[in-house]
Amino acid sequence: EAGVTQFPSHSVIEKGQTVTLRCDPISGHDNLYWYRRVMGKEIKFLLHFVKESKQDESGMPNNRFLAERTGGTYSTLKVQPAELEDSGVYFCASSQMGASYGYTFGSGTRLTVV
Amino acid sequence: QKEVEQDPGPLSVPEGAIVSLNCTYSNSAFQYFMWYRQYSRKGPELLMYTYSSGNKEDGRFTAQVDKSSKYISLFIRDSQPSDSATYLCAMTFNNAGNMLTFGGGTRLMVKP
Repeated sequence: EAGVTQFPSHSVIEKGQTVTLRCDPISGHDNLYWYRRVMGKEIKFLLHFVKESKQDESGMPNNRFLAERTGGTYSTLKVQPAELEDSGVYFCASSQMGASYGYTFGSGTRLTVV
Repeated sequence: QKEVEQDPGPLSVPEGAIVSLNCTYSNSAFQYFMWYRQYSRKGPELLMYTYSSGNKEDGRFTAQVDKSSKYISLFIRDSQPSDSATYLCAMTFNNAGNMLTFGGGTRLMVKP
């Protein structure tokens, strides 16, 4: 089966610009998660979708971040306007219902804000 | 204080050695414990998971959980150069799809 796909794999933008990251989960996985790893820190949770609904967005750092999941399929994470501290690797993961340990992660999008 | 502490390494061992990787945590509510392996420029890949305390073995890998000490371990027997990667522990409260809390990862290097 196809894995979790994320693109772009790498993005370099200037401070103040907008960037949109996309995640295509494994087909049939209702759970979709966004995580982020900033330099020197651990991977941290951002938010969790169940189908098209936001189940938990407690990890979103501020209102410059907007996540959507269209029709319960792919998801986008928009950062507008980007700040230097937003640099890091953004991971998407998906899982079937009731499977906290069954995450499959994508390879991540490496975001660099200059 | 971080919720999950993990020595960042790097840990360098010769091929064939037994590797011990560890995490400590502070929240006693964690019930599910996982180990992920992450190769450079790739996403984390689930290696093992355990529920509550006890041991679990899968091939060359053994995961141990000691909830009384809030301490989890991953042992790798007969380590191979292909095991060189960053190993991340993660944990969560239940099996309802809740978020994972990660350690910072330990970088392992197995030298031929």
